[in-house]
Amino acid sequence: SSVLTQSPSVSVAPEQTARITCGSNTIGDKTVQWYQQKPGQAPVLVLYDDSARPSGIPERFSGSKSGSTATLSISRAEAGDEADYYCSVWDGTSDHHVIFGGGTKLTVL
Amino acid sequence: EVQLVQSGAEVKKPGESLKISCKGFGYNFANHWVGWVRQVPGKGLEWMGLIYPGDSDTRYSPSFQGHVTISADKSISTAYLQWSSLKASDTAMYYCARRAQGGYECDSWGQGTLVTVSS
Repeated sequence: SSVLTQSPSVSVAPEQTARITCGSNTIGDKTVQWYQQKPGQAPVLVLYDDSARPSGIPERFSGSKSGSTATLSISRAEAGDEADYYCSVWDGTSDHHVIFGGGTKLTVL
Repeated sequence: EVQLVQSGAEVKKPGESLKISCKGFGYNFANHWVGWVRQVPGKGLEWMGLIYPGDSDTRYSPSFQGHVTISADKSISTAYLQWSSLKASDTAMYYCARRAQGGYECDSWGQGTLVTVSS
């Protein structure tokens, strides 16, 4: 099954663009989801199908995928974007198991 | 509005049994897979397994197979996660999440149930 690799932490200045990556040699044939988890709260879906936004998620959140890496980009970063971000895919062998990346803590300086 | 509401925090002793719940509101509970996710304090998300309440088809992550039981009662729109003999290492926050119909995303999450196992 896949292993999703995320950097433990990313820092960004306010109003700049944060980029959080998720790497896997099998990510190319899977759709990627991204979840935001603020301290003390449940995860929230921010992107699905690599780049689609659920209703209520700002356009500042965008996603892309190239080769073995998926990227969550957050433009015009705000203090309220500080959170842990997890990428995930569904296991290609069974299609019923989710694989999560280790998570990236985003700090807005 | 779609909501998943989980049962409250639990404090248990090693060896005790436990069943926690996740009740769905605002949608046809039987027609969506419901998954369970573990989060050990300070750590990341771990997928445990999921159930389709419509026919109780249940799939477990290999890491959790045999350690927990997932069930559901579609008549009361509720999914369950249970342990027959808790260990200290089961101390964690447990989330339920709804898988979008026809999709791969978990589009709605419960608020979490904190389980503490300590002698």
